[in-house]
Amino acid sequence: SQQGEEDPQALSIQEGENATMNCSYKTSINNLQWYRQNSGRGLVHLILIRSNEREKHSGRLRVTLDTSKKSSSLLITASRAADTASYFCATDAGGGADGLTFGKGTHLIIQP
Amino acid sequence: SAVISQKPSRDICQRGTSLTIQCQVDSQVTMMFWYRQQPGQSLTLIATANQGSEATYESGFVIDKFPISRPNLTFSTLTVSNMSPEDSSIYLCSVAGPRGSPLHFGNGTRLTVT
Repeated sequence: SQQGEEDPQALSIQEGENATMNCSYKTSINNLQWYRQNSGRGLVHLILIRSNEREKHSGRLRVTLDTSKKSSSLLITASRAADTASYFCATDAGGGADGLTFGKGTHLIIQP
Repeated sequence: SAVISQKPSRDICQRGTSLTIQCQVDSQVTMMFWYRQQPGQSLTLIATANQGSEATYESGFVIDKFPISRPNLTFSTLTVSNMSPEDSSIYLCSVAGPRGSPLHFGNGTRLTVT
């Protein structure tokens, strides 16, 4: 069953601005991951944050995790047109034999 | 990271027919997953395919509709049987690295059933 819920469902910003997307989940997790999907293509892994971590950076990406609130945020700084894509959070409950549980995604549009 | 080749990349099929999607990985992996992404929706796990055992299906998915093969550690197929327009989706295979690591995805198969 779907666990992650991203908001907003869609976000349109000007190039150069920062974009923030949120994700909430319902059950305990081992880690939470963010993926990007360009227009009907496969998913590309962006960043993984473990349940004992609170914040992680990778280039222009910053992810936070609040396990008490069961929520995560993805911040993309200094956005570029190429960042236009759908962004999904996915939770790993640590069962080992299961795939990830994906949220519904946020469609991000960067306007030049 | 694993390189995954999935084919076909897209197909248009008639109602009642079947389509087999292939997924080839450039390294040996224990666990492979098949996901479905319906138009405008998120990904839903269909089944987990481990080499040497029957695939494990998620609730709402059955082997008769989505038979899966996993003949070795680098290859898997998913068949969408007796298709209907509701099966129109993107189907993605993915592989797992060490436990707790990210999944790697193929580029997906865009299926349209008319």
